[in-house]
Amino acid sequence: AQSVAQPEDQVNVAEGNPLTVKCTYSVSGNPYLFWYVQYPNRGLQFLLKYITGDNLVKGSYGFEAEFNKSQTSFHLKKPSALVSDSALYFCAVGGGSQGNLIFGKGTKLSVKP
Amino acid sequence: GAVVSQHPSWVICKSGTSVKIECRSLDFQATTMFWYRQFPKQSLMLMATSNEGSKATYEQGVEKDKFLINHASLTLSTLTVTSAHPEDSSFYICSANTGASYNEQFFGPGTRLTVL
Repeated sequence: AQSVAQPEDQVNVAEGNPLTVKCTYSVSGNPYLFWYVQYPNRGLQFLLKYITGDNLVKGSYGFEAEFNKSQTSFHLKKPSALVSDSALYFCAVGGGSQGNLIFGKGTKLSVKP
Repeated sequence: GAVVSQHPSWVICKSGTSVKIECRSLDFQATTMFWYRQFPKQSLMLMATSNEGSKATYEQGVEKDKFLINHASLTLSTLTVTSAHPEDSSFYICSANTGASYNEQFFGPGTRLTVL
């Protein structure tokens, strides 16, 4: 069965510093991987996806993620964090039994000035 | 890009009443829509999968008689919470599948339901 793990409940970063939000996955076959961001009382906003091709994927708002097949990871990164990046981040994998996405538990990112 | 809307964005109702939430794909046809429920500070839990013109598929533990789903057209799915109780208070999010083979979905903005 497909699964996604986000090992950190919360990540704290100072503004201007690089940030990493971790995600590992377990799938049978080729993984389809996604990152979404959620602000309070809002729906999910798509950041980026990996389907195939280059392992480094660039997405919205300066975020990027690196697909690492050997480590089954898809960590989200940004070179310089902004206070406005503070939100809840979800990693997801495609391939649910109904065609749905399977989500990690989420990681709260807090960027302090 | 693909846009999904939800209406209402928030609703407060009395215990025992029914509430209908609409999910629309605005610029594409969605053969499949999904309904998720999210508790505070938790991940999204898939409730059911809604396919146009057929009965919804509910996840284990989700009462289909309580959470009625109708997918009447390729752009509209509705979730009706019947005889709502305070424990039904939650954030409900829908998403629509674009039909791509890699399960990409676009999400609505969510509906905050509070049952008094």
